[in-house]
Amino acid sequence: EVQLVQSGAEVKKPGESLKISCRGSGYSFPNYWIGWVRRMPGKGLEWMGIIYLGDSDTRYSPSFQGQVSISADKSTHTAYLQWSSLKASDTAMYYCARLRDNILAHWGQGTLVTVSS
Amino acid sequence: EIVMTQSPATLSVSPGERATLSCRASQSVRSSLAWYQQKPGQAPRLLIFAASTRATGFPARFGGSGSRTEFTLTISSLQSEDFAVYYCQQYNDWPPTFGQGTKLEIK
Repeated sequence: EVQLVQSGAEVKKPGESLKISCRGSGYSFPNYWIGWVRRMPGKGLEWMGIIYLGDSDTRYSPSFQGQVSISADKSTHTAYLQWSSLKASDTAMYYCARLRDNILAHWGQGTLVTVSS
Repeated sequence: EIVMTQSPATLSVSPGERATLSCRASQSVRSSLAWYQQKPGQAPRLLIFAASTRATGFPARFGGSGSRTEFTLTISSLQSEDFAVYYCQQYNDWPPTFGQGTKLEIK
């Protein structure tokens, strides 16, 4: 069974850094793309970017280019989403999902990130 | 980027009735259109892909149709577990984009 398990909720202050994770199991992880999706409070879903676990090829949605960094560790079957300096507007639920032809076929449970002074 | 527009924003329907949700693309996405269901406190779940193919685990009362710029999700006889937010997403062009969602609520 395909499973994506995300790291736990985070509470951070503006300006702090953060790295959240998404660990996959139940499939040959390096052969798939993993995507990240944001859902801000009261808003809809936003596509952030994707990474191919096999070679860490990464693509960002223009809205998120330069705002976040997506990385992966093939050896631990884990993808990461990272901020170097958080803003209050980064407060959101973040989901990872395994892609199939840019379709989000299997989702993680989500990681709630709260940024507040 | 392609803008996806869903209507209505909120749809109130009684259990047992039919629900029709719409999704429009700002330019043709061929049949590269997916629908997701999200219930409160849960992650979204893939419902439909390729405009009309049901994902594993969803019953036949869920149906998708359309192509190019106009798409429809139909739920033929609403059950209590169907009340949720539904999102469409195009994956024909980069970046993939979502509609703003339709909240399906109990009337």
